[in-house]
Amino acid sequence: GAGVSQSPSNKVTEKGKDVELRCDPISGHTALYWYRQSLGQGLEFLIYFQGNSAPDKSGLPSDRFSAERTGGSVSTLTIQRTQQEDSAVYLCASSKPGQSEGYTFGSGTRLTVV
Amino acid sequence: GENVEQHPSTLSVQEGDSAVIKCTYSDSASNYFPWYKQELGKRPQLIIDIRSNVGEKKDQRIAVTLNKTAKHFSLHITETQPEDSAVYFCAASTSSYKLIFGSGTRLLVRP
Repeated sequence: GAGVSQSPSNKVTEKGKDVELRCDPISGHTALYWYRQSLGQGLEFLIYFQGNSAPDKSGLPSDRFSAERTGGSVSTLTIQRTQQEDSAVYLCASSKPGQSEGYTFGSGTRLTVV
Repeated sequence: GENVEQHPSTLSVQEGDSAVIKCTYSDSASNYFPWYKQELGKRPQLIIDIRSNVGEKKDQRIAVTLNKTAKHFSLHITETQPEDSAVYFCAASTSSYKLIFGSGTRLLVRP
């Protein structure tokens, strides 16, 4: 597609429920990243995909967080048993392989856990 | 791992004045330093970047300087306009993929 697409744009969920966030990167961008932005804060790295594999998952905050990518394209970030501290904007970005420049972000999913 | 610190956290300037935002990084192996602008409710967008083999780069009213010895880099915006109001993030990368971001600077340009 023309840009990085994320869905849903907003998600309100009850504490304890599982949520899935979706990212559709730019066509041809084999590198995909998930970041988290808490209110008024910076961008916190979560996980990096190159193709379907995730060589760097060092930023995932707990084992409640997982992500997968299939077909070298769409990625899903899953948060199990959501907690209030999970409330944030989850941003996805993609780039051409081996390049951190040309990092294009999606519009994000605003997650609110009530 | 890499750590990026950014200052100030907020900056208010009069329209037409200059604005300077500073970042320091910890890993001397970092070789790529982009700056992103995030308007309220929107996605971060790349506005300028610099590689470690260059000391300064300009693009119209925006410039970035890099001091590898001191491990710091700065964003300079001249002749500020109200539409420059946004949150600005610096970032550094030691690898071919992962960007580590600073905590952001909220810039307000007063008309």
